[in-house]
Amino acid sequence: KAGVTQTPRYLIKTRGQQVTLSCSPISGHRSVSWYQQTPGQGLQFLFEYFSETQRNKGNFPGRFSGRQFSNSRSEMNVSTLELGDSALYLCASSFGLNTGELFFGEGSRLTVL
Amino acid sequence: AQSVTQLDSHVSVSEGTPVLLRCNYSSSYSPSLFWYVQHPNKGLQLLLKYTSAATLVKGINGFEAEFKKSETSFHLTKPSAHMSDAAEYFCVVLTTDSWGKLQFGAGTQVVVTP
Repeated sequence: KAGVTQTPRYLIKTRGQQVTLSCSPISGHRSVSWYQQTPGQGLQFLFEYFSETQRNKGNFPGRFSGRQFSNSRSEMNVSTLELGDSALYLCASSFGLNTGELFFGEGSRLTVL
Repeated sequence: AQSVTQLDSHVSVSEGTPVLLRCNYSSSYSPSLFWYVQHPNKGLQLLLKYTSAATLVKGINGFEAEFKKSETSFHLTKPSAHMSDAAEYFCVVLTTDSWGKLQFGAGTQVVVTP
């Protein structure tokens, strides 16, 4: 069974640009969550999608957005990039909601210059 | 609101010696608790979970954790460390508000020396 796949794995952007990250969950999983990981703030929850609906949202500005498609694949977008957006963005999938049992991808490492 | 506190940011152990990673939680309810591990340049992997069944929980790779309600603790242990255990470990609580979010601890970096 294929794991969670995130693309791209590495990317470099400049301030003011936007970026779209993609996540393909494990087959059969309907929930996709996104996390931002930085050395200073640790792991912070961005949002969670289930059946194409955002079910939960963390405390991030509106520049951070996401969506989920009918095949459960998800994308997140960050607009007007800031230096502080440099981070590892992790996607995780689970079969249902509120299980706590997440399967993580290896992440997309974003560097903003 | 539920939260977890990992008491050590770094732990260094010798190969073959026991590992103890400490985690305290706060919760008004009976919590669901988890330990995740993250190896360098990898995503997180679930080690074990506690969901109000047995208080001693066994996980993968020889790890186990004991839920102690009286001490509000969920410490992770392994009898004998292996070089491959070098990683960052996260104690996590499943919150009961807002559809349930995972609240991650700050992490404990484990270094294993030969």
